[in-house]
Amino acid sequence: DVKVTQSSRYLVKRTGEKVFLECVQDMDHENMFWYRQDPGLGLRLIYFSYDVKMKEKGDIPEGYSVSREKKERFSLILESASTNQTSMYLCASSPTGFITEAFFGQGTRLTVV
Amino acid sequence: QKEVEQNSGPLSVPEGAIASLNCTYSDRGSQSFFWYRQYSGKSPELIMFIYSNGDKEDGRFTAQLNKASQYVSLLIRDSQPSDSATYLCAPLNYKYIFGTGTRLKVLA
Repeated sequence: DVKVTQSSRYLVKRTGEKVFLECVQDMDHENMFWYRQDPGLGLRLIYFSYDVKMKEKGDIPEGYSVSREKKERFSLILESASTNQTSMYLCASSPTGFITEAFFGQGTRLTVV
Repeated sequence: QKEVEQNSGPLSVPEGAIASLNCTYSDRGSQSFFWYRQYSGKSPELIMFIYSNGDKEDGRFTAQLNKASQYVSLLIRDSQPSDSATYLCAPLNYKYIFGTGTRLKVLA
């Protein structure tokens, strides 16, 4: 089974802190994604990566950065957490190919106080 | 204009009825679409994939794609309370952008 694992299920951080959300996949997928999900707004793409050290901005990259030093690991970084970044964060990975199903992690509920 | 648009719902249908979920898209180049289901508190999971005009059936689920009109739909026959979830559509492209999702409630 494909497994995408996010480092924390729940996280509480203070405003201004630097926050790292980690995601690891075990299926050698080329593509990895970070989304945030908010009520009424659906899944919004923050950043994605199609190869090691390669990244592209999604729809809402402001306030976030990412790192992909190894193929299996994709990190989302909140440089200076703010209360409007309180959300559910979902990581996903997918292979490259014609039918590229995305496999999701369990999600991290981040609260910034 | 958003790439993918869905009515957020909730769409309420009685048990045993047909639920019809719709998705419109702006990129005429989109050739294929995924439908994902997300239960409350869980992560999305793939339920259907369609890449050609017309219908694709899988059990109680039928995906319909109309490229000329730029919409894709998901029909759920004999809806069950266990089908209550949010349904998200996504065109097949390298960025994996999802629609906002439609919340379906099947009433027992």
